[in-house]
Amino acid sequence: EIVMTQSPATLSVSPGDTATLSCRASQSVNSKLAWYQQKPGQAPRLLIYDASTRATGVPARFSGSGSGTEFTLTINSLQSEDFAVYCCQQYSIRPTFGGGTKVEIK
Amino acid sequence: QITLKESGPTLVKPTQTLTLTCTFSGFSLSTSGVGVGWIRQPPGKALEWLALIYWDDDKRYSPSLKSRLTITKDTSKNQVVLTMTNMDPVDTATYYCAHESRNSPFDYWGQGTLVTVSS
Repeated sequence: EIVMTQSPATLSVSPGDTATLSCRASQSVNSKLAWYQQKPGQAPRLLIYDASTRATGVPARFSGSGSGTEFTLTINSLQSEDFAVYCCQQYSIRPTFGGGTKVEIK
Repeated sequence: QITLKESGPTLVKPTQTLTLTCTFSGFSLSTSGVGVGWIRQPPGKALEWLALIYWDDDKRYSPSLKSRLTITKDTSKNQVVLTMTNMDPVDTATYYCAHESRNSPFDYWGQGTLVTVSS
């Protein structure tokens, strides 16, 4: 099983600032990496797939990068609606998810 | 427009078998490449993938839960059914079904259904 590790567990950011979230895979997943946003009581929402491609309707302030085992989600100019939990998932071999990063208001 | 919705019991007793149904619209499980997966999330914890079934009846299971899971599809009813045997309180979670294409992420999700395991 490929283990996905996210850091930090919690990120305190002020509105308008930039948030940088990390996701590490225990072995290479090439670019088979997705990012999801999840708000309380809601299902996850796909933001980024193939490590860097924004899903339909996702604002340009969300960007993904990386390949192999190291990945980053960057959220520029954080808006109030962006405060949520973000989770990475590899779909290279049998899907696995990271533990999530909570982006909270500083 | 793709939609999915989970249904099943909200409360099961320890050792019982859980049966969940995912009813979907906007796509067909007879279309090449299409799949439906099940994912769960214990309260306050991370997402955990459980199982996947594809248009060609290819089935994949989480290695850690494989012995307890069965996934099936009814293409004519646009439904996917997940059964999980020998339920335990640690299986208390929100269970989601989601649309997937082979080697792709879960792009459409159901709203989830909370299943509590308690005597």
